[in-house]
Amino acid sequence: GAVVSQHPSRVICKSGTSVKIECRSLDFQATTMFWYRQFPKQSLMLMATSNEGSKATYEQGVEKDKFLINHASLTLSTLTVTSAHPEDSSFYICSASRVLLGEKLFFGSGTQLSVL
Amino acid sequence: DQQVKQNSPSLSVQEGRISILNCDYTNSMFDYFLWYKKYPAEGPTFLISISSIKDKNEDGRFTVFLNKSAKHLSLHIVPSQPGDSAVYFCAASAWIYNQGGKLIFGQGTELSVKP
Repeated sequence: GAVVSQHPSRVICKSGTSVKIECRSLDFQATTMFWYRQFPKQSLMLMATSNEGSKATYEQGVEKDKFLINHASLTLSTLTVTSAHPEDSSFYICSASRVLLGEKLFFGSGTQLSVL
Repeated sequence: DQQVKQNSPSLSVQEGRISILNCDYTNSMFDYFLWYKKYPAEGPTFLISISSIKDKNEDGRFTVFLNKSAKHLSLHIVPSQPGDSAVYFCAASAWIYNQGGKLIFGQGTELSVKP
């Protein structure tokens, strides 16, 4: 079946540095990818919709200059957390779909970001 | 404003019994609902879904019921197994408004199935 690969699975960084997270669709082309964030014991919150070849659409309250999204190809979307701070520490998950049907939305394995 | 709510943060069930996980939503635009199972530090795994034109969908031990008038859905797992222990999230989307790929998640319910 279709697989979404997310890398890295875990990253620890110093405050003020930038961190890039990659999301790849391995065996299908994804015109749209989604980025979610989950704080401990809380729900997964949609951050942005990443469209290939165009600007990402951010949800209300998500800083586009803080969370840079690039969807340069049909198989790769990246999320860069710029000038990370401890409050950015969270679990980030991407999802991708070949056909926009719920069950065809495949999730990556997530990235645990810890900012010291 | 929490559009999808799972009011029970945890549920404990004996092996072999039925597990019932509940979910309420407020947005009447939602027309597609999904349940995911999730382990810590992993991405969600799809379990079962239901379209708003149906009131029940069954897949093996998993059945999802949808009550549109009450804006309520539930996931039944029967019989429950220890391997079912995980956090279960319900999610909703609005295909009619071309928002199908955007999932709105509930807070999750941690299910513990005791042997």
